[in-house]
Amino acid sequence: VQVVESGGGLVEPGGSLRLSCAVSRLTFSDAWLSWVRQAPGKGLDWLGRSKGKVDGGTTDYAESMKGRFTISRDDSKDTLYLHMNNLKTEDTAVYYCITDPGGWMGSWGQGTLVTVSS
Amino acid sequence: EIVLTQSPGTLSLSPGERATLSCRASQTITSSHLAWCQQRPGQAPRLLIYGASIRATGVPDRFSGSGSGTDFTLTISRLEPEDSAVYYCQQYGVSPPWTFGQGTRVEIK
Repeated sequence: VQVVESGGGLVEPGGSLRLSCAVSRLTFSDAWLSWVRQAPGKGLDWLGRSKGKVDGGTTDYAESMKGRFTISRDDSKDTLYLHMNNLKTEDTAVYYCITDPGGWMGSWGQGTLVTVSS
Repeated sequence: EIVLTQSPGTLSLSPGERATLSCRASQTITSSHLAWCQQRPGQAPRLLIYGASIRATGVPDRFSGSGSGTDFTLTISRLEPEDSAVYYCQQYGVSPPWTFGQGTRVEIK
């Protein structure tokens, strides 16, 4: 399985950003996928997950993510998205996309860095 | 939300020694739904153990996981230089949110 994130960069506070996660070598539409972030020098923070189509395609979020962050997917493009709105400086982090075969974090991407700064 | 507390914060050991890392949960983790991952400096994390004791594909057998309920352990039987990393436990109980411990840093002398 190969996981590749993209879309990170520098954004001003209050701005928005959409991260993408391309996954290959598995049946994407059935895949459960999670987003995890890591602030500089800090630990890992689970953000949410998207279930595969056969399991309803629903999403679950960490409580702190509800309202500003949304996970979506385009099965025709084998791509998962993380939509981030009203970004704050504390959202500065490396964002990882990971396969979630059963709740544990399976295959990790290399991450994409989001920097929120004026 | 289940809180995971890892100890010790840092472990400094010599090559060939045994490392024992602890992960304690604030409530019982159903069906031993606990995983361990390793993050080497400058790299993304990688899965080591899931289901408390099942090694992921390609993980050397010097890594082993054990425990149930609220207390779990990752043991590295014979440390090698490439084991220098931060190790995180992660729970995936009955339903989200999943949570991670704060990490244990293993330093090889």
